[in-house]
Amino acid sequence: GEDVEQSLFLSVREGDSSVINCTYTDSSSTYLYWYKQEPGAGLQLLTYIFSNMDMKQDQRLTVLLNKKDKHLSLRIADTQTGDSAIYFCAEILLTGGGNKLTFGTGTQLKVEL
Amino acid sequence: AAGVIQSPRHLIKEKRETATLKCYPIPRHDTVYWYQQGPGQDPQFLISFYEKMQSDKGSIPDRFSAQQFSDYHSELNMSSLELGDSALYFCASSIRVQRHGYTFGSGTRLTVV
Repeated sequence: GEDVEQSLFLSVREGDSSVINCTYTDSSSTYLYWYKQEPGAGLQLLTYIFSNMDMKQDQRLTVLLNKKDKHLSLRIADTQTGDSAIYFCAEILLTGGGNKLTFGTGTQLKVEL
Repeated sequence: AAGVIQSPRHLIKEKRETATLKCYPIPRHDTVYWYQQGPGQDPQFLISFYEKMQSDKGSIPDRFSAQQFSDYHSELNMSSLELGDSALYFCASSIRVQRHGYTFGSGTRLTVV
């Protein structure tokens, strides 16, 4: 989406760490999310972070949030070929009627042997 | 665990025809969201329902309509189909107040020829 930006492409070697970055614009976002989409498949929720947190770790995944700069990152440790996919960050926009997810443009991660 | 069920998985329609997509949310989830994802694009929010009432509206064309039924399943009706409507259509469900709990279905791939 136009309000959530990501770099389009990232290539890493198997075993290295991957860092996928995202900038968002809505300072009232309460939750920020990372979704994974494999080719032709649905959106899989990987992790999320509440806006009053700076960091969240979940096994190989580490999410860092810099609320001042409105910057979110996802670090994948020991990246595997199965991690090759498109990764979307998303924020909740609190609208008058409810909550809707706004997605970033997506980053295609390619893991090479 | 039960997931969000979408049907059909694939649909091929001709221009100017009508299509109906169905979504069955996770039991006890009170909110349903519809998203459209064009080729190489990020998912775009179309419309959402909370407790069977429309709660938010995004970039949904006037040719499209949707509703949520008493059993909480939702249907997206698309009329006068255009080639540009070819996309993946995702449904997601959540418990409204639990903003970390969006679960997406596997999507319906609509191809308009």
